Amino acid sequence: RKEVEQDPGPFNVPEGATVAFNCTYSNSASQSFFWYRQDCRKEPKLLMSVYSSGNEDGRFTAQLNRASQYISLLIRDSKLSDSATYLCAVNTGGFKTIFGAGTRLFVKA
Amino acid sequence: DVKVTQSSRYLVKRTGEKVFLECVQDMDHENMFWYRQDPGLGLRLIYFSYDVKMKEKGDIPEGYSVSREKKERFSLILESASTNQTSMYLCASSGTSGSQDYEQYFGPGTRLTVT
Repeated sequence: RKEVEQDPGPFNVPEGATVAFNCTYSNSASQSFFWYRQDCRKEPKLLMSVYSSGNEDGRFTAQLNRASQYISLLIRDSKLSDSATYLCAVNTGGFKTIFGAGTRLFVKA
Repeated sequence: DVKVTQSSRYLVKRTGEKVFLECVQDMDHENMFWYRQDPGLGLRLIYFSYDVKMKEKGDIPEGYSVSREKKERFSLILESASTNQTSMYLCASSGTSGSQDYEQYFGPGTRLTVT
């Protein structure tokens, strides 16, 4: 089993839709969680950290479920510009962060 | 804003050549990382460094070495490039204090082709 797993997608959604991604992790000692966005042929960019209480940034909401060992990212009112690959990342408290392979999102007009 | 720069965006090398990839960050971050990213395999950690002159192997260190002589600079060396090292190489840095621990910031990447 991979340490961090994501549904590779692709997710094809129309503009204005709400879309949710999940990411499961295997190490129950994991402490820090993140979502990154990666555009085609570009570097990953930090989208948001995920806090225990959940957090929201505009149209984006991230949640953590420690009991079931997953994090989620919800995108509301999808825009064409949201089309990208979304990577989750999990840190177990050391220097090493494990990245998921990413979920591709296509938002269509 | 954190800025991480990499010496080249695209690089073409021949099998057997020694290849140097350089990474510089301007945020005084303690930690620096080298990853490679391949389709279907995601980001894989090659090496990381948590201090000057300190280095640790990641998941796939074979065929690579690193150097960190200054805090802001982390170099990846391919001692003898091989075709299976054709990949996108990404450098990242992160701090170790405050609420932003472990948030990694990436450079633009170097797309290396070994022929």
